[in-house]
Amino acid sequence: AQSVTQLDSHVSVSEGTPVLLRCNYSSSYSPSLFWYVQHPNKGLQLLLKYTSAATLVKGINGFEAEFKKSETSFHLTKPSAHMSDAAEYFCVVSERWTGNQFYFGTGTSLTVIP
Amino acid sequence: EAGVTQFPSHSVIEKGQTVTLRCDPISGHDNLYWYRRVMGKEIKFLLHFVKESKQDESGMPNNRFLAERTGGTYSTLKVQPAELEDSGVYFCASSQIGFAGGPGELFFGEGSRLTVL
Repeated sequence: AQSVTQLDSHVSVSEGTPVLLRCNYSSSYSPSLFWYVQHPNKGLQLLLKYTSAATLVKGINGFEAEFKKSETSFHLTKPSAHMSDAAEYFCVVSERWTGNQFYFGTGTSLTVIP
Repeated sequence: EAGVTQFPSHSVIEKGQTVTLRCDPISGHDNLYWYRRVMGKEIKFLLHFVKESKQDESGMPNNRFLAERTGGTYSTLKVQPAELEDSGVYFCASSQIGFAGGPGELFFGEGSRLTVL
């Protein structure tokens, strides 16, 4: 069975400081992992994805995430937060062996303080 | 290239009425998914089409919900009769098959917000 746990429902950072959004997953086989971002009244946009290639994945807008199988984690980071990063972030897991079903975390709301 | 489009963006109806939500996926995307988010809770899977066939409808809450994808193009999700607990944002997403048959990237629409009074 697959599932995703986002450890923080809300994160606040000051502009210019690092961002860390935590995600742990459970998966029986070889998962694909994604981070999506949703700005208010917008659809979800893909930030980055891991699909069994390099474990350190770089995404858009300076975000990156590292797949750590031993820790079953896929945390999202950014060295320096920008005001425009304020949004809700979702960690998602999927596997081809289960019909390419996608499972979402509960989301982390990021606030950036000027 | 047009993205995933959903209509209407917002619908307000009374309990007992019927609402039909429409999703137009990206052209050529065989996979089409419906998800729902209720009042800030997690995004929950409703169902998955591959072309015109229902691959997985295990997330459909009950028989008041009916989804169709005639001809494997656009999809509709009908709620009849609507109940208060059906309020939420309904997202549609589409994707191609990814590498080695694995999951491709999901492209989302902006969602249809349903309010049942």
